[in-house]
Amino acid sequence: NAGVTQTPKFRVLKTGQSMTLLCAQDMNHEYMYWYRQDPGMGLRLIHYSVGEGTTAKGEVPDGYNVSRLKKQNFLLGLESAAPSQTSVYFCASSIQGAGGFQTQYFGPGTRLLVL
Amino acid sequence: GDSVTQMEGPVTLSEEAFLTINCTYTATGYPSLFWYVQYPGEGLQLLLKATKADDKGSNKGFEATYRKETTSFHLEKGSVQVSDSAVYFCALKDSGGGADGLTFGKGTHLIIQP
Repeated sequence: NAGVTQTPKFRVLKTGQSMTLLCAQDMNHEYMYWYRQDPGMGLRLIHYSVGEGTTAKGEVPDGYNVSRLKKQNFLLGLESAAPSQTSVYFCASSIQGAGGFQTQYFGPGTRLLVL
Repeated sequence: GDSVTQMEGPVTLSEEAFLTINCTYTATGYPSLFWYVQYPGEGLQLLLKATKADDKGSNKGFEATYRKETTSFHLEKGSVQVSDSAVYFCALKDSGGGADGLTFGKGTHLIIQP
C-alpha cells in the first residue's frame, strides 16, 4: 500500500494564479482532510470530507475549494492564489475507530510558495 | 473551543537524556489524545494515543498518560537517541464521533545532540 500520496511535492505560483493539489489514498478510508502548516501555528484544518460527493469547511476554509468525486481522491483548489497561502499543505485520511476516535494517516505534504 | 498547548522549542538534549514534552488541553467534551511526530521533510506519523482517563499510550520507548484531572498528556522517554530528533505535535479529537479534524498544538522541535 502506498498510503496517502500528494501531488505535487513543491510548487511556485504567482499571485492570482490558480492550481489544484491532489491527494490520493489506497486504504479505502471514508474520511479525508486538508490541513495547512505554518511556522509557529501547528496544523489547521481547511476542509474535510466524510465520503464521496460530500465536503465540509474546517477552521480556515477561505480562499480554498475542495472536491471529492471519487472515494480515493480529495482535491484542494486555489482559484486565485495569495501570498498568505504560502504554506505546507498536508492531506490525511481516516476510518472511524472503536469508541469514536480516529487515527489519521498523513501524506508527505506539498510545499507551496506564492510570490 | 478546543485547544492544545505544548511547550515550544527548540528543545535541545544530549543523547541518553530523559525527555519530557508538556502538553495540556482544553476541550468541551471528553477527547481522545494523540502524539504525532514529523521527521524532517516528511508528513506526520502517529506516535501514540489514549482514549480515556488514566490510559497510557506507548510506542518506540515513548509514553504519555491521559490525566483528566490536570487536563494533560505529557510525552516522556527515558533515554533519547539522535534519531528522535523531529517535531512533536500533541493533538486531540473531541468526543462526539464527528469526522471533523484534529486540533493540534503548535509543535515542539526536539534536537538530540550526540
